[in-house]
Amino acid sequence: ETGVTQSPTHLIKTRGQQVTLRCSSQSGHNTVSWYQQALGQGPQFIFQYYREEENGRGNFPPRFSGLQFPNYSSELNVNALELDDSALYLCASTPGGGGEETQYFGPGTRLLVL
Amino acid sequence: RKEVEQDPGPFNVPEGATVAFNCTYSNSASQSFFWYRQDCRKEPKLLMSVYSSGNEDGRFTAQLNRASQYISLLIRDSKLSDSATYLCVVGHNDMRFGAGTRLTVKP
Repeated sequence: ETGVTQSPTHLIKTRGQQVTLRCSSQSGHNTVSWYQQALGQGPQFIFQYYREEENGRGNFPPRFSGLQFPNYSSELNVNALELDDSALYLCASTPGGGGEETQYFGPGTRLLVL
Repeated sequence: RKEVEQDPGPFNVPEGATVAFNCTYSNSASQSFFWYRQDCRKEPKLLMSVYSSGNEDGRFTAQLNRASQYISLLIRDSKLSDSATYLCVVGHNDMRFGAGTRLTVKP
């Protein structure tokens, strides 16, 4: 086990709603990254937080936003949900601020948008 | 062109077979390289990092060719438990994943 936890494990929402996903990073890790994994695809980088600041962003619209807290836990918020947002959302932590370090993944949150 | 491209698969092999996966990446400035394994409905887990000199971990051997922007993974003496999706990952400021190659090892 990586020590990275995510909640909830599963979630069903309807189009237009908002959702908040949560992640607790591994002890001692100050960097958290979020990924979206659609069925049959590899994880796609959404953004990364390092010491409470956004430290890089992938090709996702502004309705995807995040936060990192002083204890290095993190939230992913998605507004105005669309059907294509249905996916597995993965959180990963790393010990340092480098975006290219080994990622330790949590079990993910499965989001279904109806 | 995708940033990280992998063999589409699926690969179906008998136990004991040797199987090789290939991966190419587009960003020549990439700095770190990995293979991750992902079981069905589970999160990705690090299989091994990939170094320029090549590296081996038991039955698994990874190679990196920076000039050709190419990464490979060789699995020898396949086991049933090797059945999974193998993800090629390239790092440059952030991590970029390939779509994965599905491997099924059959008795």
